[in-house]
Amino acid sequence: DVKVTQSSRYLVKRTGEKVFLECVQDMDHENMFWYRQDPGLGLRLIYFSYDVKMKEKGDIPEGYSVSREKKERFSLILESASTNQTSMYLCASSGPYEQYFGPGTRLTVT
Amino acid sequence: QKEVEQNSGPLSVPEGAIASLNCTYSDRGSQSFFWYRQYSGKSPELIMSIYSNGDKEDGRFTAQLNKASQYVSLLIRDSQPSDSATYLCAVNFAYALNFGKGTSLLVTP
Repeated sequence: DVKVTQSSRYLVKRTGEKVFLECVQDMDHENMFWYRQDPGLGLRLIYFSYDVKMKEKGDIPEGYSVSREKKERFSLILESASTNQTSMYLCASSGPYEQYFGPGTRLTVT
Repeated sequence: QKEVEQNSGPLSVPEGAIASLNCTYSDRGSQSFFWYRQYSGKSPELIMSIYSNGDKEDGRFTAQLNKASQYVSLLIRDSQPSDSATYLCAVNFAYALNFGKGTSLLVTP
């Protein structure tokens, strides 16, 4: 079975803090993704990576950066957290076709 | 922007009935189509994938694809209360997927 894990299920941070969200997959997948999900807005792609050290902006990259130093790990970084970044963050990985999600991190920025 | 459209619902069906969920997409070049189930507070779970026109069955689930009409559907037979969830349609776009906003399904005992 594909396993995608995320470092935290719940996270509370203060405005202005630097936040790191970590994601690890164990299926040797090439592609990894970060989404955020908000009520009424659905899933929105922040960044994705199709290879180590490669990254592409998604639909809403502003305020975020990513890092992929190893194939199995993809990190999302909020350089200076703001209250409008309070959301559910979902990591996913895929081979050529099917995409699998981690359990999600519910981030609250106060 | 590549669009994936779903009726938000809620779709309410009685236990034991067939639930029919529909999805349309705008990109004629799309080749891969997926249905995810998402329970409240949980992450999406892949339940069906379909790549060619026609029907694909897996247990109580049937996915139907019509590329000419740019239409994908998911049928759930013998619906159970445990099927109550939001169902997300997803369509490939280069390396990534475009997701619809989901249809909320409620199966009533």
